[in-house]
Amino acid sequence: EVQLVESGGGLVQPGGSLRLSCAASGFTFSSYDMHWVRQPTGKGLEWVSGITTGGVTFYSGSVRGRFTISRENAKNSFYLQVNSLRAEDTAVYFCATGLAGWDYWGQGTPVTVSS
Amino acid sequence: QSVLTQPPSASGTPGQGVTISCSGDSTSIGIHHVNWYQHIPGTAPRLLIHTSDQRPSGVPDRFSGSRSGTSASLAITGLRSEDEGDYYCTTWVGRLSAWVFGGGTRLTVL
Repeated sequence: EVQLVESGGGLVQPGGSLRLSCAASGFTFSSYDMHWVRQPTGKGLEWVSGITTGGVTFYSGSVRGRFTISRENAKNSFYLQVNSLRAEDTAVYFCATGLAGWDYWGQGTPVTVSS
Repeated sequence: QSVLTQPPSASGTPGQGVTISCSGDSTSIGIHHVNWYQHIPGTAPRLLIHTSDQRPSGVPDRFSGSRSGTSASLAITGLRSEDEGDYYCTTWVGRLSAWVFGGGTRLTVL
């Protein structure tokens, strides 16, 4: 059974940092591009960042330069280092993957940016 | 303004059909396939359609997708109460080097 489990979310002050993690199981992790998608409270889904099987990274314009995605195939995990957090980064962060579309999603980890 | 435009809401009665549109441009839907997701608040999003018109296994054939020019559509027939939720289109936008979601359509089954 495919499982994606996020962790690392929490309450952080503006300007602060967090490291989100997504642990994967049930599939050949190294063969899949991986993505982070977020949903701010009361708003729609927003793609945040993706990393290919070869380690090429992509970011949305709203997070580029502040967030860094990485993966560790030996641990079947990937990460999102989120720095210089702003109130508008408050959201539930999901990890997602799939070969044609994103079939598999985690349950999300909440990030709240507030003083 | 989102790169992909969806109507904010749609509705229908049980058994009816409804179509949700997703409008892009020549740099998004015009050259890239579209995926559709259903998201019921409090749960993980669910892939309904990939590659514009392909249904993953386990998705009922009541759901179908199409793409023409710079627009795409998701059609749902035989509406059920459990279809209530938010529906999103998404595609790759090369000029942004990013995936983009539409703003989402809230479907209500009356």
